[in-house]
Amino acid sequence: AQSVTQPDIHITVSEGASLELRCNYSYGATPYLFWYVQSPGQGLQLLLKYFSGDTLVQGIKGFEAEFKRSQSSFNLRKPSVHWSDAAEYFCAVARRGYQKVTFGTGTKLQVIP
Amino acid sequence: EAGVAQSPRYKIIEKRQSVAFWCNPISGHATLYWYQQILGQGPKLLIQFQNNGVVDDSQLPKDRFSAERLKGVDSTLKIQPAKLEDSAVYLCASSLDALAGTDTQYFGPGTRLTVL
Repeated sequence: AQSVTQPDIHITVSEGASLELRCNYSYGATPYLFWYVQSPGQGLQLLLKYFSGDTLVQGIKGFEAEFKRSQSSFNLRKPSVHWSDAAEYFCAVARRGYQKVTFGTGTKLQVIP
Repeated sequence: EAGVAQSPRYKIIEKRQSVAFWCNPISGHATLYWYQQILGQGPKLLIQFQNNGVVDDSQLPKDRFSAERLKGVDSTLKIQPAKLEDSAVYLCASSLDALAGTDTQYFGPGTRLTVL
């Protein structure tokens, strides 16, 4: 069965600092990979997705993620964090050709001035 | 383009009562999903519809949960009877056609259920 691990439950960064959120997945074949953001009281918003091709994926709000097959990872990065980025971030994996999306437990990002 | 609509936004019930949630997906989206998100956890897929057929309901507690999408458009998720552990946010999502393989989900704002 597919699974997603987000090892960091909570991360605090200073505004303007760089950010990397970790995600490791378990899946037998090449998966579909996603990063979502959830602000308090809001639904989930897709930041970016990887289906195939270039392993460095650009998303909205200045986020990017890199698919590393050898490490089964799909880490999310942002070079300079803004206070409005404070939210919870979820990594997810899905099967190719059939979307049964499995989410990680999330990483809560706090941004300090 | 209108997003995924859900109602109600909040619901408080006593245990053993029944409750129903409604979802209207983005127009033209064939695939509809219901997720349960318990506080502090990621969303868990309960059921996935393709038009009015069920694609996956392996994690739906069928003794108390039911869902339907009769005309292949909007959907209703019901819990009967509710238990304390059903307290969660219920998220609806839709996508154009999940079986086509290159799809993206769009989520509604969710319904927060509290069971007392």
